[in-house]
Amino acid sequence: DVKVTQSSRYLVKRTGEKVFLECVQDMDHENMFWYRQDPGLGLRLIYFSYDVKMKEKGDIPEGYSVSREKKERFSLILESASTNQTSMYLCASTSGFYEQYFGPGTRLTVT
Amino acid sequence: DAKTTQPPSMDCAEGRAANLPCNHSTISGNEYVYWYRQIHSQGPQYIIHGLKNNETNEMASLIITEDRKSSTLILPHATLRDTAVYYCIVSSTSGTYKYIFGTGTRLKVLA
Repeated sequence: DVKVTQSSRYLVKRTGEKVFLECVQDMDHENMFWYRQDPGLGLRLIYFSYDVKMKEKGDIPEGYSVSREKKERFSLILESASTNQTSMYLCASTSGFYEQYFGPGTRLTVT
Repeated sequence: DAKTTQPPSMDCAEGRAANLPCNHSTISGNEYVYWYRQIHSQGPQYIIHGLKNNETNEMASLIITEDRKSSTLILPHATLRDTAVYYCIVSSTSGTYKYIFGTGTRLKVLA
């Protein structure tokens, strides 16, 4: 079975901290995605990557950056966390045509 | 903006068929219709996808109108475990495979 894992299920950080969210997939997928999910807004795409070291901005990239040094790992970075980045963060991967596989999510609280 | 429109909520009696509609009037020729569901506090889970023919798998059936401007996801015998938010998404079969999520339909299956 395809597995997408995320480094933490719950995370609490302070305002101004640098935060790393890690995502690992085990199916050799080229494409990986980071979404955030907020009540009433659904899932919104932050960044995606279609190959190692390649990245593209999604719909809401402000305040975030990403890193993809290895094919299986896609990291989301909050350079200086703010309270409005409190959210559920979801990672996904796909080989392309077929479905996206989602991780369980990281619920981040910034205080 | 999301390319799809879904009712915000629906109820269904346990054991009955749940029919979830989706409008995608601006769908283009190379875009597929995907359905996912998200059970509380989990990542979205793939259900089914199709281009223009009706599709069926072990989870559900997908009916796409001839003009492809709308579709219906059918859960033939809904159970309490089908209570979830259901997302209808249109996405190209080439390029970046980005999804644009709407706010979905919250299905409640009633005992």
